Amino acid sequence: DVKVTQSSRYLVKRTGEKVFLECVQDMDHENMFWYRQDPGLGLRLIYFSYDVKMKEKGDIPEGYSVSREKKERFSLILESASTNQTSMYLCASRAPGGGETQYFGPGTRLLVL
Amino acid sequence: ELKVEQNPLFLSMQEGKNYTIYCNYSTTSDRLYWYRQDPGKSLESLFVLLSNGAVKQEGRLMASLDTKARLSTLHITAAVHDLSATYFCAVRGYYGGSQGNLIFGKGTKLSVKP
Repeated sequence: DVKVTQSSRYLVKRTGEKVFLECVQDMDHENMFWYRQDPGLGLRLIYFSYDVKMKEKGDIPEGYSVSREKKERFSLILESASTNQTSMYLCASRAPGGGETQYFGPGTRLLVL
Repeated sequence: ELKVEQNPLFLSMQEGKNYTIYCNYSTTSDRLYWYRQDPGKSLESLFVLLSNGAVKQEGRLMASLDTKARLSTLHITAAVHDLSATYFCAVRGYYGGSQGNLIFGKGTKLSVKP
């Protein structure tokens, strides 16, 4: 069974803190993605990775960085958290090639105070 | 720039009624995806449509794709309360010519009332 897990369901952090969100998939997928979801804005792509140590910016990379040291793990880093980064963060993975859907993790709801 | 528009954004239905959610996209894409999201939960894949004229059905939901019109529809037949959720369509876009990322619509929040 397909599985994408995220390290936390809920997080509360303070402005200026460095925040790590972890995502792990067990499907041996090359491609992994980080989105944020906000009411009225839908899902927006932050970063994605198509291989270990490879990364590409999405639509809204500012204020974020990522790390992919192992194939199964994709980390999102908020270098200095700000209140406008309060959001739901969703990780997804996908096998390469046409037609494959993205499989999503349960999400991390982050509140930055 | 690839844009995806869904309508309606909010839909309140009575049980037993039929309705259609529309998904328009602005440039050519060869993949169309439908997802469901329950409140506080993640996204669950419903359908992947791969070609013009593709039709897929699962229970009371049927999705179709017209690539010439750049339109996909999600038709709900005889709605039941369990279908209450937010439905997203997404199309495959490209970053740097590779890896086919998804561009999502804003979602349609469906509420089915008795």
